[in-house]
Amino acid sequence: QKEVEQDPGPLSVPEGAIVSLNCTYSNSAFQYFMWYRQYSRKGPELLMYTYSSGNKEDGRFTAQVDKSSKYISLFIRDSQPSDSATYLCAMRGGSYIPTFGRGTSLIVHP
Amino acid sequence: DSGVTQTPKHLITATGQRVTLRCSPRSGDLSVYWYQQSLDQGLQFLIQYYNGEERAKGNILERFSAQQFPDLHSELNLSSLELGDSALYFCASSVAADRGNYGYTFGSGTRLTVV
Repeated sequence: QKEVEQDPGPLSVPEGAIVSLNCTYSNSAFQYFMWYRQYSRKGPELLMYTYSSGNKEDGRFTAQVDKSSKYISLFIRDSQPSDSATYLCAMRGGSYIPTFGRGTSLIVHP
Repeated sequence: DSGVTQTPKHLITATGQRVTLRCSPRSGDLSVYWYQQSLDQGLQFLIQYYNGEERAKGNILERFSAQQFPDLHSELNLSSLELGDSALYFCASSVAADRGNYGYTFGSGTRLTVV
C-alpha cells in the first residue's frame, strides 16, 4: 500500500460544478498538507497548504483535512475550463521532504 | 515563468547512454530538489542539495548522481540508461532546506525518452 493514495481519474465535470478531489494516507505522522496544480507540459505549482486538521479557504478553493480519518480534500467552487489540470496532494511529517500522491486529472468542459 | 530554469526541455537518447540535466534555481533560493515523474509511480523524490551540500536522498538509483555548483545551479547525471528511465524530471527550489511545508517552486521539467 502506498503512503498516499489518490485516484488518477480523469474526473470530467461541466463548467460551474463543484469539484471534490481527495487523498487518503496511512502515515499518522503527517502534519503538513499541500495541494499542487500541474498543467500539461508544466511543473506543479503550489495551490494551498494547511497544517493539521481543519479547513482553509482561498477564493474558489477550500482545503480540508481530517486527520482522524487520514483523509484530505480539495474543493473547487464554480469550476472553470481553466481549472482543467492534474491536482496532486502532498504531505509531510518530521521529514522536510513531502510525499506526493499520483495526481487526479480534472477536465472542466464548457 | 516560475523562475526555475531547466534544460533541455526534451531529450531522446539510446539505452546505455549517459545524459546530464541542468537546473538553475530561482534567484535567492539555496535548496534544489530533483524529482522523477512517471505515469505509474507519480512524483518521486530523488535528491536534495542545499548550498552545495547533499541534504537528503530519496529513491535515487546508483546509476544516477547529482551535484550543486558554487553558483547554485545543479546537474542530474543519468548513466547506463534503461527504457524504464523514460520520464519527466523536475527540478524544484526553495529558499531554505526546511521549506517543505511552504512548498517548492518547480521548473517546467525535462522530458527524457530512452529508446
